[in-house]
Amino acid sequence: RKEVEQDPGPFNVPEGATVAFNCTYSNSASQSFFWYRQDCRKEPKLLMSVYSSGNEDGRFTAQLNRASQYISLLIRDSKLSDSATYLCVVNILGYGQNFVFGPGTRLSVLP
Amino acid sequence: DTEVTQTPKHLVMGMTNKKSLKCEQHMGHRAMYWYKQKAKKPPELMFVYSYEKLSINESVPSRFSPECPNSSLLNLHLHALQPEDSALYLCASSPAGGEWEKLFFGSGTQLSVL
Repeated sequence: RKEVEQDPGPFNVPEGATVAFNCTYSNSASQSFFWYRQDCRKEPKLLMSVYSSGNEDGRFTAQLNRASQYISLLIRDSKLSDSATYLCVVNILGYGQNFVFGPGTRLSVLP
Repeated sequence: DTEVTQTPKHLVMGMTNKKSLKCEQHMGHRAMYWYKQKAKKPPELMFVYSYEKLSINESVPSRFSPECPNSSLLNLHLHALQPEDSALYLCASSPAGGEWEKLFFGSGTQLSVL
């Protein structure tokens, strides 16, 4: 079983739609959680950290369920510029810094 | 703009060449990373330097040799690469100071091995 799994995608949605991404992780020692966004041929960029209490940044809402080892990202009122690959990232502390990436979910927002 | 600078942005090399990728950050971060990313795949960790010491080496072939001259610089020396090593090579850094570490990436070097 992979350490971090995500919806396989791709997701093709119309502008203005609400889209949800899911992520699960297998290592219960995971300490911190993130969503990164990556455009084609560009570097991953931090979208948001995911806190236990959940957090919201404009149209983006992230949730964490430690008991179920599950992370989600909700995008409301999607824009064309939201088209990208969304990477779920988990930091497993224990030896050095160990960030584990999920396979990513590709989103295309269509006009 | 990213605060992690990588050079060169593009590199084409033959299988007998020796080249180096360079990475620099001035955010005071104490952990630096090399990742390899193939098309449509997530980044794969290669090496981690923490406080200038190699702390993680993900069983990378010896034709890749990392070097951390100081806390701001990270190099990746390449020698006798294979065509399957063609990929986007990403450098990243993180503070190495607390629970909520965040990775900051450079824009990457697109490497083609002929």
